Amino acid sequence: GDSVTQTEGLVTLTKGLPVMLNCTYQTTYSPFLFWYVQHLNEAPKLLLKSSTDNKRTEHQGFYATLHKSSSSFHLQKSSVQLSDSALYFCALKGNMGYKLTFGTGTSLLVDP
Amino acid sequence: GPKVLQIPSHQIIDMGQMVTLNCDPVSNHLYFYWYKQILGQQMEFLVNFYNGKVMEKSKLFKDQFSVERPDGSYFTLKIQPTALEDSAVYFCASSPGTGGSGQLYFGEGSKLTVL
Repeated sequence: GDSVTQTEGLVTLTKGLPVMLNCTYQTTYSPFLFWYVQHLNEAPKLLLKSSTDNKRTEHQGFYATLHKSSSSFHLQKSSVQLSDSALYFCALKGNMGYKLTFGTGTSLLVDP
Repeated sequence: GPKVLQIPSHQIIDMGQMVTLNCDPVSNHLYFYWYKQILGQQMEFLVNFYNGKVMEKSKLFKDQFSVERPDGSYFTLKIQPTALEDSAVYFCASSPGTGGSGQLYFGEGSKLTVL
């Protein structure tokens, strides 16, 4: 079945520094990858999505590139802000169904 | 943007009781989902629903769980009877249909505490 791996459980950074959150996936179908962000006590909200190989997608200063050769969709930002502190989930829609398979999530904490 | 509404936001019940969680999905969406999240951890898929039927369900969707959407009203998740391990936040989501990326729109969640 489909699976998503996020290797970092917690990332702590100082404001202004760059960040990369890792995401790799497994599926036998053509993948659609998503990044969702969840702030405390809120609903997960879509941050980025892509199904196009080797094309960078950007939103709100975050960016990611789907690399099918390495089955990766890492999330990056060049300069994190305090408001970026949240839980970030990578998700995959890969098989013929419609559900999303989520990774375990990465908590990003940004210090002043 | 599109909104998914969930009622109640919090529910505390005794083990063995029944609970119904209600979801008002985005109005023109056709696919509905329930996910379970414990303590800010992974979002775990429970079930998805289309055209009055369960399309797919996970191992977490126990026999005590049921879903329905009678006559286009709320999409509901019923747990009967509840168990201690059912304590979690349950997120409802909806998506438009077969076209597009299949992006899911999530509600704010219903926090269930089973005592």
